[in-house]
Amino acid sequence: EAGVTQFPSHSVIEKGQTVTLRCDPISGHDNLYWYRRVMGKEIKFLLHFVKESKQDESGMPNNRFLAERTGGTYSTLKVQPAELEDSGVYFCASSRSGRDEQFFGPGTRLTVL
Amino acid sequence: AQSVTQLGSHVSVSEGALVLLRCNYSSSVPPYLFWYVQYPNQGLQLLLKYTTGATLVKGINGFEAEFKKSETSFHLTKPSAHMSDAAEYFCAVSSRSSYKLIFGSGTRLLVRP
Repeated sequence: EAGVTQFPSHSVIEKGQTVTLRCDPISGHDNLYWYRRVMGKEIKFLLHFVKESKQDESGMPNNRFLAERTGGTYSTLKVQPAELEDSGVYFCASSRSGRDEQFFGPGTRLTVL
Repeated sequence: AQSVTQLGSHVSVSEGALVLLRCNYSSSVPPYLFWYVQYPNQGLQLLLKYTTGATLVKGINGFEAEFKKSETSFHLTKPSAHMSDAAEYFCAVSSRSSYKLIFGSGTRLLVRP
């Protein structure tokens, strides 16, 4: 069984540009989460999808971040326009149900110059 | 609001020595508690979790943790460190009303030969 995959593994962009991160969850997992770790600090929750619906988006930092999960399969996280403080590692996780183990992807390292 | 504190951003032990990684949480109601490990260039992997029942929880790779409500702690231990245990370890909690994980800042374990 394939694990959670994320693309790209690394992205370097300039301030003001747009970046789109992609997450493919484990097949059959209805729950998909996005987390972010900035500059060696703690990993912070961004949002939670159940199928294609946003269950909890309380961690989204501002309206420059847009997450989608069309069709309830893969998810994208778009940052537009990117700012310096958006640099960090973005993790995606998925689980079969809400209380099941969350399986994490390897993350996307975003650097905004 | 819930929070997690991990004492020590870096812990160094000799191979064969006891591993003790500390985690304290703040929550008005006992939460669900987790330990995750991240090896280089990989996603987070669940080591063990506490939900209800027995307060001593055994996980993978010989790790265990004990939930102590009176001390609001969930410290991770392993009797004998192995070189392969070198990684970053994260303590996390989730409330009984939410599925999102709240992480500590992580502890990097170094194992000396």
